[in-house]
Amino acid sequence: NAGVTQTPKFQVLKTGQSMTLQCAQDMNHEYMSWYRQDPGMGLRLIHYSVGAGITDQGEVPNGYNVSRSTTEDFPLRLLSAAPSQTSVYFCASSYSRFYNSPLHFGNGTRLTVT
Amino acid sequence: ILNVEQSPQSLHVQEGDSTNFTCSFPSSNFYALHWYRWETAKSPEALFVMTLNGDEKKKGRISATLNTKEGYSYLYIKGSQPEDSATYLCAFNAGNNRKLIWGLGTSLAVNP
Repeated sequence: NAGVTQTPKFQVLKTGQSMTLQCAQDMNHEYMSWYRQDPGMGLRLIHYSVGAGITDQGEVPNGYNVSRSTTEDFPLRLLSAAPSQTSVYFCASSYSRFYNSPLHFGNGTRLTVT
Repeated sequence: ILNVEQSPQSLHVQEGDSTNFTCSFPSSNFYALHWYRWETAKSPEALFVMTLNGDEKKKGRISATLNTKEGYSYLYIKGSQPEDSATYLCAFNAGNNRKLIWGLGTSLAVNP
């Protein structure tokens, strides 16, 4: 049982480049989300999805796109990378879209934009 | 602006000590309070999700209490072990959704 799998673990981009962070879960979870974690700040929600074909913006969505074509996959796309997007990114899923179910996190992707 | 505060920021204890730390959150529009343990080089792992005032939850040597009227939750660790060394995060849900507001965590180091 792999849980939540994120790839890559590390990535270095140049300003203006685009890339996709992959996230897959094998627990048939309804809810999936992307967070970023920056020094001195709590985890911040970028985008989330409550089911295949449904996505919505979180707290800091600018510069990122998502799609959810299947229950299992929830990729995060950086359209034109900026140094401000240097961060650690976590994908998290939950069996329920509602507030009372715990999140399961992937191992994170450390992204540096130069 | 909704804010979640955790104290202390960091804590060093000796193996065998019991310890506790606090998560403070707004006392209005409460839906849930989550606790997670985050070990270095790993991902956050859920400990508890608490939804009712007066809730007490326990998992092994770790327990948590919840007071929604005054806006705080305590996390207790009984007889700390080196493997308890981690950052403990809390997150607050102010609505019937998944938009959590996260604290900065309490970093616990247990010395053998």
